[in-house]
Amino acid sequence: NAGVTQTPKFQVLKTGQSMTLQCAQDMNHEYMSWYRQDPGMGLRLIHYSVGAGITDQGEVPNGYNVSRSTTEDFPLRLLSAAPSQTSVYFCASSYSGILGGEQYFGPGTRLTVT
Amino acid sequence: AQKVTQAQTEISVVEKEDVTLDCVYETRDTTYYLFWYKQPPSGELVFLIRRNSFDEQNEISGRYSWNFQKSTSSFNFTITASQVVDSAVYFCALTGRGSNYKLTFGKGTLLTVNP
Repeated sequence: NAGVTQTPKFQVLKTGQSMTLQCAQDMNHEYMSWYRQDPGMGLRLIHYSVGAGITDQGEVPNGYNVSRSTTEDFPLRLLSAAPSQTSVYFCASSYSGILGGEQYFGPGTRLTVT
Repeated sequence: AQKVTQAQTEISVVEKEDVTLDCVYETRDTTYYLFWYKQPPSGELVFLIRRNSFDEQNEISGRYSWNFQKSTSSFNFTITASQVVDSAVYFCALTGRGSNYKLTFGKGTLLTVNP
């Protein structure tokens, strides 16, 4: 099992550019989520999905879009990058329907917007 | 709404000292889970423990122990005989029945263990 994979590991964007952060898991987990980590802020939930075709907003969804067409993949799209989106992004997955299931995290993507 | 407070932003100890990381939570759920994660300097997030709201037994795993007290809404983490490899950011997190699988994190505590 590869677990949760994220690509790219590093990315530099110019303000206004768009891009997609990729996330995939091979554990057949229904639940997937995206977090951003900023210094002194902990991890904040951006969007999450409880299964293919179902997504919902988290705490800080503005400026990001998601879709979930398959169980395995949960890409995060930045529509028009802003310097405030400079952060480390983590994707996570877990079994759904079992409250409190351990969330498995990907290695993270470090994004810089200039 | 859920909230997790880790009041200690940074802690610095000397190797072999015991250290306790505090975590206080707020939730309206009667069924909830608490977690601790470790983030070493390499950046990955490592799961340490999960505890449900119905199990207040303390847990010990090697040099790590956890003290869950519902009466004070606290889930504290103690490292006994700390080692340099314990240096990391530690996050406490909470999810509840009413949160629809959303995990709420505290802001983390940076632990530095000096040789």
